[in-house]
Amino acid sequence: EAGVTQFPSHSVIEKGQTVTLRCDPISGHDNLYWYRRVMGKEIKFLLHFVKESKQDESGMPNNRFLAERTGGTYSTLKVQPAELEDSGVYFCASKPGDRETQYFGPGTRLLVL
Amino acid sequence: KQEVTQIPAALSVPEGENLVLNCSFTDSAIYNLQWFRQDPGKGLTSLLLIQSSQREQTSGRLNASLDKSSGRSTLYIAASQPGDSATYLCAVSGSARQLTFGSGTQLTVLP
Repeated sequence: EAGVTQFPSHSVIEKGQTVTLRCDPISGHDNLYWYRRVMGKEIKFLLHFVKESKQDESGMPNNRFLAERTGGTYSTLKVQPAELEDSGVYFCASKPGDRETQYFGPGTRLLVL
Repeated sequence: KQEVTQIPAALSVPEGENLVLNCSFTDSAIYNLQWFRQDPGKGLTSLLLIQSSQREQTSGRLNASLDKSSGRSTLYIAASQPGDSATYLCAVSGSARQLTFGSGTQLTVLP
């Protein structure tokens, strides 16, 4: 069974540009989570999808971040326009509805210059 | 607001030692607690999950305990090996299932 995959693995962009991160959860996992770790800080929750619906987006830092999960399969997280403080590692995790363990992807390392 | 603290931030031990990693959380109203392992440049691997009604979980050389009322968990690693070197993260889940993470303990096991 394939694990959670994320694309790209690394992204270097300039301040003001747009970046879109993608997450493919494990097949059949209705729950999808986005987290991020900024430099020197702990991993923080961003938002939670159940299928295509946003269940909780209380961790989204501001309206420059837009997450979608059309069709309830893969998800994208767009940052527009990117700022320096958005640099960090963005993790995606998924889990089935009847289990508690979240399975994490390898993360996307974003550097905004 | 839930806060999770992990002590120590870093730990270096010789191979073969038994060791304990500590995790504390401020709000005891958790649904479960997970211990993860993260290798450099990699994602998080779930090691153990303890439901709020449980006291401990074991997997191989790993044993995790949970004292919900005091807001504490420990991860015990028996007979440590160099391959155990990684960052160990503790995370608690509330009713919404989102995870609140500690900042991790970086473990180095010396051959």
